[in-house]
Amino acid sequence: DIQMTQSPSSLSASVGDRVTITCRASQSISSYLNWYQQKPGKAPKLLIYAASSLQSGVPSRFSGSGSGTDFTLTISSLQPEDFATYYCQQSYSTPSSFGQGTKLEIK
Amino acid sequence: QVQLQESGPGLVKPSQTLSLTCTVSGGSISSGDYYWSWIRQPPGKGLEWIGYIYYSGSTYYNPSLKSRVTISVDTSKNQFSLKLSSVTAADTAVYYCAREGPAASIDYWGQGTLVTVSS
Repeated sequence: DIQMTQSPSSLSASVGDRVTITCRASQSISSYLNWYQQKPGKAPKLLIYAASSLQSGVPSRFSGSGSGTDFTLTISSLQPEDFATYYCQQSYSTPSSFGQGTKLEIK
Repeated sequence: QVQLQESGPGLVKPSQTLSLTCTVSGGSISSGDYYWSWIRQPPGKGLEWIGYIYYSGSTYYNPSLKSRVTISVDTSKNQFSLKLSSVTAADTAVYYCAREGPAASIDYWGQGTLVTVSS
């Protein structure tokens, strides 16, 4: 099975900051990497699929990059509604697997 | 707009079988365009992919749960279901039904239902 490791596990930032979250796969997953945002008590929401494709309706301040084993999610200018937990997911092979999550908190 | 809704008991006794159903609206499972998945999240923890089913009934299960999981589909009702046998407290989680979209991402999620395993 492919293991996904996110860093950092938690992050404090301020509104307007540029933030980067990293996800590393235990083996190459090409570009089969997706990013989700989850707020308390809610289902995750798809932000980025196939490493860099922005899901419809997601603000352009979110972007993704990477291929192979190393990937990043960048939020260019944090907004108040962006404080949440973020997960990466590999969909290259079954079983699909998620990172452990990165909790983004207000500084 | 596709919508998914989980239903089933919120409390299951240890050693019994957890049973949930997902009703899909705004789209047809029979279209054959997507896989339909179950994902769970223990309280305060991360996400675990349980498995998926295709409209034809073809399934794939996470090997970590394979011996206890059955996913089935009822295209006439536009529903798919999850059964997890021999449950323990470790199976307490919010269970989500979901649709696999582009690049096998999960583009539509149900709201989730908390299932607690307790006597």
